[in-house]
Amino acid sequence: DAGVTQSPTHLIKTRGQHVTLRCSPISGHKSVSWYQQVLGQGPQFIFQYYEKEERGRGNFPDRFSARQFPNYSSELNVNALLLGDSALYLCASSLGDYQPQHFGDGTRLSIL
Amino acid sequence: AQSVAQPEDQVNVAEGNPLTVKCTYSVSGNPYLFWYVQYPNRGLQFLLKYITGDNLVKGSYGFEAEFNKSQTSFHLKKPSALVSDSALYFCAVRDMEGLTGGGNKLTFGTGTQLKVEL
Repeated sequence: DAGVTQSPTHLIKTRGQHVTLRCSPISGHKSVSWYQQVLGQGPQFIFQYYEKEERGRGNFPDRFSARQFPNYSSELNVNALLLGDSALYLCASSLGDYQPQHFGDGTRLSIL
Repeated sequence: AQSVAQPEDQVNVAEGNPLTVKCTYSVSGNPYLFWYVQYPNRGLQFLLKYITGDNLVKGSYGFEAEFNKSQTSFHLKKPSALVSDSALYFCAVRDMEGLTGGGNKLTFGTGTQLKVEL
């Protein structure tokens, strides 16, 4: 079975632009979460969606938004990009609340 | 808030020797703990979890972890290290803060770089 897939793998943007990152969960997984991993740090929680509803949001500004589609895939949108948004953005899916999250390989976002 | 701490930035071990990567936790209620491994330019791979039950949890690739409630620790172990185990290891805890209607949010430690040398 395919794992969590994310696209694109790499992205270069300039300050002020916006970006859309995409994630397809493992088949059968209804929960999708997004994390930001800055170099040298552990991943930080951004959002979780379950059955297309937002379950939680981390300590990120309103420039960050997300949604989940009927097929359980998800998009993360970031507006008005800042240099500090440069990071690896990870998507994870899981079967349920007490099940392990399975991560994709991430999208490396670089802001110039 | 739930949190985990990984006190060592780096652990060095010779191939064939046992390895331990340390993690301590701070939670209210029952802890749900996880270990993940990250290879360069890759996402995180799930190794093992502790939800309830036996204090010794067995996981993937020969790794195991020992849950110790009195010491609030969840150390990752392997009896015989391989060079291919060299990677970045993260301890994580399920954190319900800020979630509605359930949820599955992980709070991660800062990571421990494991280096296994010949």
